Amino acid sequence: GESVGLHLPTLSVQEGDNSIINCAYSNSASDYFIWYKQESGKGPQFIIDIRSNMDKRQGQRVTVLLNKTVKHLSLQIAATQPGDSAVYFCAETPGSSNTGKLIFGQGTTLQVKP
Amino acid sequence: GAGVSQSPSNKVTEKGKDVELRCDPISGHTALYWYRQSLGQGLEFLIYFQGNSAPDKSGLPSDRFSAERTGGSVSTLTIQRTQQEDSAVYLCASSGSSKNIQYFGAGTRLSVL
Repeated sequence: GESVGLHLPTLSVQEGDNSIINCAYSNSASDYFIWYKQESGKGPQFIIDIRSNMDKRQGQRVTVLLNKTVKHLSLQIAATQPGDSAVYFCAETPGSSNTGKLIFGQGTTLQVKP
Repeated sequence: GAGVSQSPSNKVTEKGKDVELRCDPISGHTALYWYRQSLGQGLEFLIYFQGNSAPDKSGLPSDRFSAERTGGSVSTLTIQRTQQEDSAVYLCASSGSSKNIQYFGAGTRLSVL
């Protein structure tokens, strides 16, 4: 069945260090992989997406890497700041659907120490 | 409006009662989604609207759950005969042309006693 999961529930990093959040997925037919950030008491916020035919995509301070061989997705945050503290979810879009339905993983909590 | 608005922000109800949750999407967004988030969990897709029709309602957990959208704008999620396992945060999102970029509201926290 379709599932998206994360390797670690909590990641603690020092301010200024780089963060790497990992995600494993099982559906090889997914079209897009997406990262969302959720701060306490708020809804998730889009960070970056990557299409399944790409290996890497960069945004502002963030990079997403996709390894289809091992069905692994990662989000790298450069120079982590206190404002990056949140729960990070990876999500995927089922390959056969164009409805925008997102399948979310369980989330990784990022804690940034000052 | 400036963002997706949901009401109420909190709802406490008794088991067996019906509840209605409201979502006001971003103006002009034709796609609207409902998700459910249990404590400490990821989001679970419930239903997708394109305009006023719902081409994908595969995530609705039972026939006690229904949703409608009128005027291509406001949507209401109704849960009949609520059960304790319905307790969760119900999140609404809307999107424009890029369905990967969904804008979420702050959610309605539903507690069924």
